[in-house]
Amino acid sequence: EAQVTQNPRYLITVTGKKLTVTCSQNMNHEYMSWYRQDPGLGLRQIYYSMNVEVTDKGDVPEGYKVSRKEKRNFPLILESPSPNQTSLYFCASSLAGQNLQPQHFGDGTRLSIL
Amino acid sequence: SQQGEEDPQALSIQEGENATMNCSYKTSINNLQWYRQNSGRGLVHLILIRSNEREKHSGRLRVTLDTSKKSSSLLITASRAADTASYFCATRGDMRFGAGTRLTVKP
Repeated sequence: EAQVTQNPRYLITVTGKKLTVTCSQNMNHEYMSWYRQDPGLGLRQIYYSMNVEVTDKGDVPEGYKVSRKEKRNFPLILESPSPNQTSLYFCASSLAGQNLQPQHFGDGTRLSIL
Repeated sequence: SQQGEEDPQALSIQEGENATMNCSYKTSINNLQWYRQNSGRGLVHLILIRSNEREKHSGRLRVTLDTSKKSSSLLITASRAADTASYFCATRGDMRFGAGTRLTVKP
């Protein structure tokens, strides 16, 4: 089954404690992306990756890191989380190309930073 | 950067009625997509319409595209309570989404 898998689904942690949210897709997609969703603000893109070893900042990259060492994985790293990073996070993937391709989304990771 | 902006922000209708929501964008596109998000879940792709298409149907969904006005509309006919969700449009670019239209269908 084609899917994007995020882990963990829920996490409560404390300020400053490094955490990683994993994202894996099994569709051989080139493009992967991370979003955060906050009430009234819709989805805002954090980082995206056009292919292995190619990553770029989205609209709200501050406080986040990503890596794309393998095609299927695109982890989101919060080196020193702060309460303003409390949010619902989504990973998505799609085929690359000039034309916008349908994105497949994970089920989300709800992070609470105390 | 391109971004779809959905309108209205919220829409409440009775089951069986039609729901129409709109999307406006700023620059030229190759295609436009609509997504649905059930509360707290990931977005699900609904339909894609290419820039050379004016209308597209998929089940109870009808999407129109007016490139001269840089706008698209999503019509859900004979709505059901299960259609209650947020709806987003996305245009070419870095996959940016607007804030969405929150649709509530009352049984």
